[in-house]
Parts: sequence; C-alpha cells; structure tokens
Amino acid sequence: GEDVEQSLFLSVREGDSSVINCTYTDSSSTYLYWYKQEPGAGLQLLTYIFSNMDMKQDQRLTVLLNKKDKHLSLRIADTQTGDSAIYFCAETYYGGATNKLIFGTGTLLAVQP
Amino acid sequence: KAGVTQTPRYLIKTRGQQVTLSCSPISGHRSVSWYQQTPGQGLQFLFEYFSETQRNKGNFPGRFSGRQFSNSRSEMNVSTLELGDSALYLCASSSLAGANTGELFFGEGSRLTVL
Repeated sequence: GEDVEQSLFLSVREGDSSVINCTYTDSSSTYLYWYKQEPGAGLQLLTYIFSNMDMKQDQRLTVLLNKKDKHLSLRIADTQTGDSAIYFCAETYYGGATNKLIFGTGTLLAVQP
Repeated sequence: KAGVTQTPRYLIKTRGQQVTLSCSPISGHRSVSWYQQTPGQGLQFLFEYFSETQRNKGNFPGRFSGRQFSNSRSEMNVSTLELGDSALYLCASSSLAGANTGELFFGEGSRLTVL
C-alpha cells in the first residue's frame, strides 16, 4: 500500500533538538527524503538517505533509518525559529507504470523563542 | 540559475470551468512532475513528464491532464472543475526521469480556488 505516516505537530524551544518521525510502507524504496515547506512556498529538499544506509549527517540535520521497522527520523540540532515549517518525509514507490514519490502527511514544527 | 516557475500563482474559477496551469522547469531539467496539495489529502502525485512523454500517472480522473513541450515547459489542465479541485498545485522538476533521484525542485505552486 501507499501510506506514509507522520505525527501532525511538534513544538520545541529554540536551541533544543527536534526529532520528527515517519513510518513508511514500501520496503523496496531506494531513497527516502525529507522536504521542508515554509508558508506560501513550495517544497525544498533538505536531505535524503539511500536505503542501504542507517544514518546520514548533514550539518545540523541527522537522518536515521530503521529498515526493519520502516521508520525514518529527522533530527534537527540547535533548532532555530527559522526552522518553523512543515516537514514531509517521502519514499519512492514503484507500482506498475507508476514511479513516484509518496509523501507523508507532514509535521508542523513550531519553534518557540 | 532560475528556479521552477509556476503561473499563475493564484486563480479563482467556478464549477464547470476549466483551468490551465503552467510550469517552467529549471534550465536543463527534462522531467516535470505535478502534485496536488490539499489539507485533507496532503500531497498527491498527478503525473510526470519526461521529454514530452507522460512517464508516470497517479490516481486522478481523466479531467486532469497535462503535456510537456519540446523546451520542457509543462502545462496541466483540469476540465469541468469541481469544488474539491480547490488546492495548491505544485510542479517539480528534476534532471532525471523517475522517482528515485531525490532531487525534485519545487515551484511555489498555483493556488486554485473553485467556487
């Protein structure tokens, strides 16, 4: 099936770490991604992880992948007010003639000053 | 390098009308995908074009169609608009076909309101 689940809302204080979680369904996904959407804007690719990796670090961002549990997480260190946005995880989906990205429901991250 | 450009940014239509949305991808990108974003359904894949051919298609009715031109610009059309078609339509371009690249570059979207 095509279902990528995320918690709807996360609130943190500036300077704390944020962890956004995602569960996906397609075990054949080659890549898994994190996108950020600011108000009134399109989606911006933050980072992605190849399915044969467990972890990827990119400056303040750390992605953890647990393939057994089909669980993906994004950790943002030293969260800033500018990180307030909606975060989407996405997986590749291969089904018949359709190859596409399946996006999660999105997590609204609110950073309190 | 200019980003993905979508026009118009906002538009209002009435039920039964049709609408055409335009997307200019990043220069050199030959793949263009379209997504519909609504509060209830989230981001739903519409279709993908690569070198003027529709490569992938999502689960939308035939009222939703698209095309791609030789310069990689793409248009999508929705005919016989329904209230439920009100959404943010996002276009994304990438340099390779298929979904397994990760490098999708999104435009700011066209917000369609159907009255």
